[in-house]
Amino acid sequence: GAVVSQHPSWVICKSGTSVKIECRSLDFQATTMFWYRQFPKQSLMLMATSNEGSKATYEQGVEKDKFLINHASLTLSTLTVTSAHPEDSSFYICSARAWDRAGLNTEAFFGQGTRLTVV
Amino acid sequence: GENVEQHPSTLSVQEGDSAVIKCTYSDSASNYFPWYKQELGKRPQLIIDIRSNVGEKKDQRIAVTLNKTAKHFSLHITETQPEDSAVYFCAASPYHNFNKFYFGSGTKLNVKP
Repeated sequence: GAVVSQHPSWVICKSGTSVKIECRSLDFQATTMFWYRQFPKQSLMLMATSNEGSKATYEQGVEKDKFLINHASLTLSTLTVTSAHPEDSSFYICSARAWDRAGLNTEAFFGQGTRLTVV
Repeated sequence: GENVEQHPSTLSVQEGDSAVIKCTYSDSASNYFPWYKQELGKRPQLIIDIRSNVGEKKDQRIAVTLNKTAKHFSLHITETQPEDSAVYFCAASPYHNFNKFYFGSGTKLNVKP
């Protein structure tokens, strides 16, 4: 099946620095990717929709200047957490959906997630 | 927007028993309902999904039922095994924004040997 690869799997950074997380679709083209945030023992909260070649769409309450999204190609989306603070520490996961032969969306494929710790 | 509610938040069953997790959704435009299993620190994995044109789907020990009128769908796991222990999430996806998933709050399933 389709594979979505996310890197890094974990990162520790100092408060005030920026961190970039990459999400790649390995064997399919993804015009749209999604970024989620997950707090411990909680659900996946959709942060933003990343659109190839255009601006990302952010969910209500998510600061677009804080979480910069770039989707420069059909296989790569990046999330940059700018001026990170301890409260940004979380598990970030990307996902993308592929198309099957019937032209229907298939399941969402998730990256392996990135555990961000800001100290 | 869509609102997905999931119950229960935790569920403990004895190995071999059945487990049922229920979700409701609010947007009648939703037409795709996947269920994901997530083990600690790992990515969610699809275990079964259903589209709004069917009422039930089964895959070995796992089944999903959908009631469009009542706007609820359920996950049924029979003959549970310890390796079924994980967090399960339901989700709903509206046809007019087919890429977007709205997730339920999750159910932590514990299967006791």
